[in-house]
Amino acid sequence: SQQGEEDPQALSIQEGENATMNCSYKTSINNLQWYRQNSGRGLVHLILIRSNEREKHSGRLRVTLDTSKKSSSLLITASRAADTASYFCATDERAGGTSYGKLTFGQGTILTVHP
Amino acid sequence: KAGVTQTPRYLIKTRGQQVTLSCSPISGHRSVSWYQQTPGQGLQFLFEYFSETQRNKGNFPGRFSGRQFSNSRSEMNVSTLELGDSALYLCASSLMGTSQETQYFGPGTRLLVL
Repeated sequence: SQQGEEDPQALSIQEGENATMNCSYKTSINNLQWYRQNSGRGLVHLILIRSNEREKHSGRLRVTLDTSKKSSSLLITASRAADTASYFCATDERAGGTSYGKLTFGQGTILTVHP
Repeated sequence: KAGVTQTPRYLIKTRGQQVTLSCSPISGHRSVSWYQQTPGQGLQFLFEYFSETQRNKGNFPGRFSGRQFSNSRSEMNVSTLELGDSALYLCASSLMGTSQETQYFGPGTRLLVL
């Protein structure tokens, strides 16, 4: 089952515009991560934000986390055609024990950046 | 460092057959997790191995199994293949498999069951 719900499911923009994707989750978490996937290939890790952090930056990426609303957003600024991919949020559930090695993924947002 | 590698990259099988997929983690990583990705169900966690022991398991039938070797390489096996097993199978590695760590993914094995 998918913990995360991502919004929108698909996003189409022009090069140079900003792209914002949102993710909601259901349980308490330790961390939230964002990954990118190009055309059904492997996942590339973008950024990890811990539950005690509210915002994190990495290059053109900005991630926010609101644990009270159980939601996160990923902002890609000045997008490029090469940013065209599917973007997934992934959480590790803060269960009673330790959930070793398990990430729970959202359904993903398909981003298309037109040159 | 070399990334996570998976073999084979593509596989075609028929219903009822079994299949073994292989994953070599990043050097020094001891935790290997496996995921199944399908258009309908998305990315779902299969299981995780650390030091040759399965520590965590997702909600998949017993036809899905795995193992890990002393060099941390891992294999997963699917027996009595069904059409619904057609998917991209991804493995990921991390140092210890804890929630504080990033998981690094391989390119995946695309399995088609006919």
